[in-house]
Amino acid sequence: NAGVTQTPKFRILKIGQSMTLQCAQDMNHNYMYWYRQDPGMGLKLIYYSVGAGITDKGEVPNGYNVSRSTTEDFPLRLELAAPSQTSVYFCASRFIGPGLHNEQFFGPGTRLTVL
Amino acid sequence: GENVEQHPSTLSVQEGDSAVIKCTYSDSASNYFPWYKQELGKRPQLIIDIRSNVGEKKDQRIAVTLNKTAKHFSLHITETQPEDSAVYFCAAGPVSGGADGLTFGKGTHLIIQP
Repeated sequence: NAGVTQTPKFRILKIGQSMTLQCAQDMNHNYMYWYRQDPGMGLKLIYYSVGAGITDKGEVPNGYNVSRSTTEDFPLRLELAAPSQTSVYFCASRFIGPGLHNEQFFGPGTRLTVL
Repeated sequence: GENVEQHPSTLSVQEGDSAVIKCTYSDSASNYFPWYKQELGKRPQLIIDIRSNVGEKKDQRIAVTLNKTAKHFSLHITETQPEDSAVYFCAAGPVSGGADGLTFGKGTHLIIQP
């Protein structure tokens, strides 16, 4: 298994540009999450999904959108990039089921800079 | 929602000594408490976790203790080694995932002095 994969690894955007951060998992996990990590800070939840077709806002959703058309993929969309969105973005997934281990796995991250 | 406080933000210990990192949480419904290690430029990786029906869990040099009454849990690393240097995050949340998943502390930068 590849686990949780993210593309791209690095990206520089100009203010006002748009982009999509890709995330995929091949572990048949039902829950998927997007976090951002600012320098020296913890992880803040942007959006999450409990299954295909279902998404919901986390702690810091403004300026972002997500979709979950398949179990495997959970892309994060930035419509109008702003300097405040400069951060490292981590996708994560987890299987929630009766009596099963609940480890949350993280992707390798995407480092985004908005200038 | 859940709020997780983590202390200290930086911890420097001599190689071979023990390190303790402490976290408190606010939501009594939380019953799953993982600890993640993040090396520079890498993803967070789970090192140990504990559920609320257990008070302590050990895995070689790493142990986690949980006090549900006081709403705090701690990570203990014994006989620290240079490779233990990293940022450690605690988290709290429901075992079943739930609305917001895990809430993370702000992290502790552990420095192992040779």
